[in-house]
Amino acid sequence: LAKTTQPISMDSYEGQEVNITCSHNNIATNDYITWYQQFPSQGPRFIIQGYKTKVTNEVASLFIPADRKSSTLSLPRVSLSDTAVYYCLVGRHNFNKFYFGSGTKLNVKP
Amino acid sequence: EAGVTQFPSHSVIEKGQTVTLRCDPISGHDNLYWYRRVMGKEIKFLLHFVKESKQDESGMPNNRFLAERTGGTYSTLKVQPAELEDSGVYFCASSQDRDSTTNEKLFFGSGTQLSVL
Repeated sequence: LAKTTQPISMDSYEGQEVNITCSHNNIATNDYITWYQQFPSQGPRFIIQGYKTKVTNEVASLFIPADRKSSTLSLPRVSLSDTAVYYCLVGRHNFNKFYFGSGTKLNVKP
Repeated sequence: EAGVTQFPSHSVIEKGQTVTLRCDPISGHDNLYWYRRVMGKEIKFLLHFVKESKQDESGMPNNRFLAERTGGTYSTLKVQPAELEDSGVYFCASSQDRDSTTNEKLFFGSGTQLSVL
């Protein structure tokens, strides 16, 4: 079971870039790293997924170092609507073993 | 395309009563999962269906919980009789068939907030 460690909370201001780092020291060779975003009263929503190096989509970037023991979710120019809980999950085809943890509560201030 | 839908969004029942939660996955998704988050705890896996078959139900807390997926479409999760500690948010998620070359993505519903009084 690939447990993850993330900061419990982070504060930011509108327009800033936010980087949330996740540690996953016991990641397995075939594991992917996936980030989900959750707003109050909603289910988690897929943001981005990667295996190694860097992945970018229209919402975020995901940086994964060579040893893959950590990853960083980067949110460019956050807005108030990015206030949410962000979960880092590690695994592959084993959502029964995904460890959600507490996630990182991002609070974006005006 | 419709997302994962769950019904009801909220349910308030008394201890000892029965409650049935429903989940409609995205059309064509064979994999259906149930998760829950009880107060102050993290989201935890309950069980996994592949079509109509239970693939893994290791997360079901006890035999008061019964999940079904008739015809491999929608799924129900029944709690009978409900206890106070069953209160929490129950999430359903679905995904497409597994591809050996990529990792699947989970699509979650908005959850059912269950309150047992």
